[in-house]
Amino acid sequence: AQSVTQLDSHVSVSEGTPVLLRCNYSSSYSPSLFWYVQHPNKGLQLLLKYTSAATLVKGINGFEAEFKKSETSFHLTKPSAHMSDAAEYFCLTTSGTYKYIFGTGTRLKVLA
Amino acid sequence: EPEVTQTPSHQVTQMGQEVILRCVPISNHLYFYWYRQILGQKVEFLVSFYNNEISEKSEIFDDQFSVERPDGSNFTLKIRSTKLEDSAMYFCATQPGFTDTQYFGPGTRLTVL
Repeated sequence: AQSVTQLDSHVSVSEGTPVLLRCNYSSSYSPSLFWYVQHPNKGLQLLLKYTSAATLVKGINGFEAEFKKSETSFHLTKPSAHMSDAAEYFCLTTSGTYKYIFGTGTRLKVLA
Repeated sequence: EPEVTQTPSHQVTQMGQEVILRCVPISNHLYFYWYRQILGQKVEFLVSFYNNEISEKSEIFDDQFSVERPDGSNFTLKIRSTKLEDSAMYFCATQPGFTDTQYFGPGTRLTVL
């Protein structure tokens, strides 16, 4: 069955330093993978998604993720964290139908 | 930019009471979903809805739950007799027909006392 594992429940970085949020997937076929962000009291917002067109996916707000089949990973990165990036980040995949399978989430804290 | 909206933002109810959570999808979207997140746990799929019928439901979605689009615009989740363990954040999501990207509402926090 399809699943995703987010390896860190909390990540803290200093403003201006790189961000790395880790996600590993399990799938028997080429998966669709997504990263969503949730700011307090807001809905989940799509950051980017992988659909096999390109292994390096660029998203909004300077985020990108690289699909690595050999490592079954889809880690989210950003070169330089901003205070406004503090939020909860979810890695997701789809099942054979359209329903989303969520990771457990990673709460990103950005220190001034 | 069009958004999915949900009402109410917070609902407090007594155990055994019925609640209806409402979602207004983005216009022209065809697929509708409910998810929930119990505090400290994963977001879990509840049900998907397409063409005025349930297309898939999870084990969580038992006979106490129902969904409908009563007027062709709102998409509702009803819990007939709430239990303490129904306390959670409930998210509505909608999806156009040509992509697997879902658009989420801000959620309704349900507290059952």
